[in-house]
Amino acid sequence: QSALTQPASVSGSPGQSITISCAGASSDVGTYNLVSWYQHHPGKAPKLMIYDVSKRPSGVSNRFSGSKSGNTASLTISGLQAEDEADYYCCAYAGSNTFLYAFGTGTKVTVL
Amino acid sequence: EVQLVESGGGLVQPGGSLRLSCAASGFTFSSYEMNWVRQAPGKGLEWVSYISSSGSTIYYADYVKGRFTISRDNAKNSLYLQMNSLSAEDTAVYHCAGGRSIATFDPWGQGTLVTVSS
Repeated sequence: QSALTQPASVSGSPGQSITISCAGASSDVGTYNLVSWYQHHPGKAPKLMIYDVSKRPSGVSNRFSGSKSGNTASLTISGLQAEDEADYYCCAYAGSNTFLYAFGTGTKVTVL
Repeated sequence: EVQLVESGGGLVQPGGSLRLSCAASGFTFSSYEMNWVRQAPGKGLEWVSYISSSGSTIYYADYVKGRFTISRDNAKNSLYLQMNSLSAEDTAVYHCAGGRSIATFDPWGQGTLVTVSS
């Protein structure tokens, strides 16, 4: 029962694509297709960007996409824009009554 | 407008208690599962507790079990978190978050800061 592992920071220039990884375990990311991603500007409410590994809620730009391979999920941001600069967190269902959800360690995305 | 607004945070001494509230508006609160998620200073998000839409099913993370109590009042569109025996490790911004489905938190509130210090 531990946090999912994300890189501390990822950066890219406007227009580029970046990918954020989210490494979990066979008991969470690897077993369930129940991974979500959140964008968080400090001081504001986090925003759902991706759910069920690769589904996008209505209103979220199609520049955001999600995928999963084995125990690792990924979020890709294409056509990077200044407004994408924020903290990003993954979350996975962990299946235990006393550890229902595991969040990632968080990634700071910087637009150069 | 869909909105969650937390309140009740503040400074409390170690061993003390605090009750957080979360007021929902703009959506059918009684149909949503709800969660509390916290973020300690300089740290990532951390799941704290879950309650089903009817309130009949409740889960707690190991690190708060026996000290925190989640509850809801669907008639008042409100979610609560009673926090007892607080320690410095509980210092964090506490967010309430709706559960659209499993592992899908939406919407979120901006959070309320709880500081445990003497």
